[in-house]
Amino acid sequence: SSDLTQPPSVSVSPGQTATITCSGGKMGALFASWYQQKPGQSPLLVIYQDNKRPSGIPERFSGSHSGNTATLTIRGTQAIDEADYYCQAWDTSSGVFGGGTRLTVL
Amino acid sequence: VQLVESGGAFVKPGGSLRLSCAASGFPFSDAWMSWVRQAPGKGLEWVGRIKRKTEGESTDYAAPARGRFTILRDDSKTTVYLQMNGLRTEDTGLYYCTTGPTMLQGVKGTVDYWGQGTLVTVSS
Repeated sequence: SSDLTQPPSVSVSPGQTATITCSGGKMGALFASWYQQKPGQSPLLVIYQDNKRPSGIPERFSGSHSGNTATLTIRGTQAIDEADYYCQAWDTSSGVFGGGTRLTVL
Repeated sequence: VQLVESGGAFVKPGGSLRLSCAASGFPFSDAWMSWVRQAPGKGLEWVGRIKRKTEGESTDYAAPARGRFTILRDDSKTTVYLQMNGLRTEDTGLYYCTTGPTMLQGVKGTVDYWGQGTLVTVSS
């Protein structure tokens, strides 16, 4: 089991907003990263340091962090966003992942 | 930029394996390197990390890896290794090497490089 808790699944209609949370004691004092993973592919970083987007990641991806919970928000969700999403928190000695959330775009 | 893992194999419980990750296209010696694994149909699990030579190549490990796995690096070969001993069935999975989100000398912005993974199967 993971020290960071994510909902196993989230469903959203195309064009709507998807919200994925990541909570846990370790998250309280740390920065969160978020990864997208599609079947057969390596993870892709979509958010780092809670709310920063790497070059090439669409603006519809955003992140926030309050207390022990980090949140990934995808506005105007598209079919291509359907994937597994993982949060990760780093401290000085480890980098734990959340259990993952399967985002389904119906 | 490339990270190419190799060395995955089928091994019996209790056995050993050494994975390699050959890097190119970025200043390898400037990067902390991590190993992340993924059991079949399961989520990502951080295995461990090695820091730069200038930081003593210090290592950290997740609890399941501590005492059994060792991460090493050879900057002259731009390669990071994962030595795995005392393998268990629960170590089965795809093993990725990654830089994690990082800023590197001479590289613009924050980058995050991953390989395609190498498969380790532990079974009797």
